[in-house]
Amino acid sequence: AQSVTQLGSHVSVSEGALVLLRCNYSSSVPPYLFWYVQYPNQGLQLLLKYTTGATLVKGINGFEAEFKKSETSFHLTKPSAHMSDAAEYFCAVSESSNDYKLSFGAGTTVTVRA
Amino acid sequence: DADVTQTPRNRITKTGKRIMLECSQTKGHDRMYWYRQDPGLGLRLIYYSFDVKDINKGEISDGYSVSRQAQAKFSLSLESAIPNQTALYFCATSDFWNTEAFFGQGTRLTVV
Repeated sequence: AQSVTQLGSHVSVSEGALVLLRCNYSSSVPPYLFWYVQYPNQGLQLLLKYTTGATLVKGINGFEAEFKKSETSFHLTKPSAHMSDAAEYFCAVSESSNDYKLSFGAGTTVTVRA
Repeated sequence: DADVTQTPRNRITKTGKRIMLECSQTKGHDRMYWYRQDPGLGLRLIYYSFDVKDINKGEISDGYSVSRQAQAKFSLSLESAIPNQTALYFCATSDFWNTEAFFGQGTRLTVV
């Protein structure tokens, strides 16, 4: 069984400040990990994913995440927030490399203050 | 045109009514999924299909059924809608190589 916990349902940051969104997972097998972003009234867009290999993963829009097996974490960061980063972010896990049967976290809404 | 199209985008229906949500894709993907999004719960998998003859239940399939009419079309039905099925529903597709899953824009369903 797999599950995802996102710490903090809302995060508020100042423009130019660090964005840090926390994600912890549980999985009975080596996980495949994902971060998605959802803008208002839109579907989900993949930010980045970890499958195998390098544990620091770079994604779109300046985001990156690091897979830490010992901490069962996959936290998402961006060094400098932009107003356009205001959205809802979801961490997800899959136990299979063959499909997108994903288990999602509850989501974190990011607001960016000018 | 969107790669994954969901219709309708918004729907209000009454308790007990049958309703169908449709999804079509132009990606040529063989794998399709239906997810449900509720505030504070994230997305949960309802059903998935790896090809036209393959249908599988997901985490929360009770009260739902699906039909894979063609490789490009995957419909979700609520046989007798109830208020706690009020949610945002997403269709998604992926290919065998699973490079990325593509999500539709969602259908907001309200059951009154």
